[in-house]
This record gives sequence, C-alpha cells and structure tokens, in this order.
Amino acid sequence: QLQLQESGPGLVKPSETLSLTCTVSGGSISSSSYYWGWIRQPPGKGLEWIGSIYYSGSTYYNPSLKSRVTISVDTSKNQFSLKLSSVTAADTAVYYCARALRGYSGYDHLNWFDPWGQGTLVTVSS
Amino acid sequence: SYVLTQPPSVSVAPGKTARITCGGNNIGSKSVHWYQQKPGQAPVLVIYYDSDRPSGIPERFSGSNSGNTATLTISRVEAGDEADYYCQVWDSSSDRVVFGGGTKLTVL
Repeated sequence: QLQLQESGPGLVKPSETLSLTCTVSGGSISSSSYYWGWIRQPPGKGLEWIGSIYYSGSTYYNPSLKSRVTISVDTSKNQFSLKLSSVTAADTAVYYCARALRGYSGYDHLNWFDPWGQGTLVTVSS
Repeated sequence: SYVLTQPPSVSVAPGKTARITCGGNNIGSKSVHWYQQKPGQAPVLVIYYDSDRPSGIPERFSGSNSGNTATLTISRVEAGDEADYYCQVWDSSSDRVVFGGGTKLTVL
C-alpha cells in the first residue's frame, strides 16, 4: 500500500525559505502513471494546490506561487521536495503531499490526488 | 483563471439525501473529482472522473456532472459523513489544478 510522509521544520522565520520533503513508500516514484504534488491548507481555510512534479523532473506550478516555488524529485531516494521562498505569515498552513494520476488524453494533465500524506503544519513566525 | 464555486455549508437530517454542488464555466466538459476531509485528517478521494467511486467508498456516494454544475450526492446520510467536501478539476487553459472552496456538511 502506497504511503506518503511529509517531513521538515515546523517553524520558519519570515523572509526565509520553507523546505519540505515527501518520502514515498510502498511504491516507486518513477512510475510513468503519476505526478507527485504539494497541496496546502491554511488554518480554517480550503485547499490550495502548490505544484506537481513528474519523475523526469517535469513540473506544473500554481501561477499564484510560481515565482517562489521550486519542486524537485530524487528518484534514488524515492522522495520529492518543496521549497517556498520569501515566506510570510500567509504561508502558514498544513502542507500535504499527494500522488496524482497522470492523464494524457490528447494533452498532458493531472487527474485526482490519491493517496495523501498526513500533512505537516508549518508556521511562519519570528 | 478558472473558478469552482461551492456553497459554504449544507445541512441534512440523518437518513436523508445531501447534494453538494460545484459550479464552474462549462464544468461538464471537465473531469471532476471530490474529496472528503474530516477534522484533523487529510482529504480522502470519494469520487473521481465525475461519478466513479474508489474501492472502499460506500455506494451511498455518487456524482454527476453536466453543463455548469457538478454534484456530489450522498444518500442515506449518516453522522459519520459530517465533513468538509471539496471538488477539483484540471484547468487546461492555464495548466493548473483548481479546488473548490469547500462545503461543510452538517448532519442535523
């Protein structure tokens, strides 16, 4: 059974870079059928997609965050990572990693996310 | 950018049917996926490709999608169905994932 686990600091100072890693177990991150993504949820608010990466390194990013986001993949460790720069209090959220089914009916795209990691709370505060 | 609109809340009595809508411009031309999120837990996929159910999801959960509205229907609602529900699509015009704002289902 595939499992995803987020890890990283729970507290980040304003203007610094948030760094998280998602470790995939029970399956290979190098599968041609999936993208791997980050989604966040500010306290009491809804879900926001941050971006997703294919094992080859191809990425999609949320345009609203693209200038500050880098997602990378390490197939040797079966991990993918998120870096979000110049954080502010507005970046305080639970960050989830998840697997997305890749679609290619005429064009490359993402379908649904399943499964999800348990999530990790990252607080931006001095 | 593409926007998905969900009602903030829906209330239903136990045993009745709950319908949660997800509105978007010509959403019927897209594939819609639905998630259930209970407090303190990660979201769980309950419907994919508009109306398909993952294994382990009760048949009480169903979905439809046409025109400008997709709908998640929960029949014979139980107390355990109380949760937040989110719809999600892929917007091919901007190459991004879009989530609806979420609907809190309250079982009276």
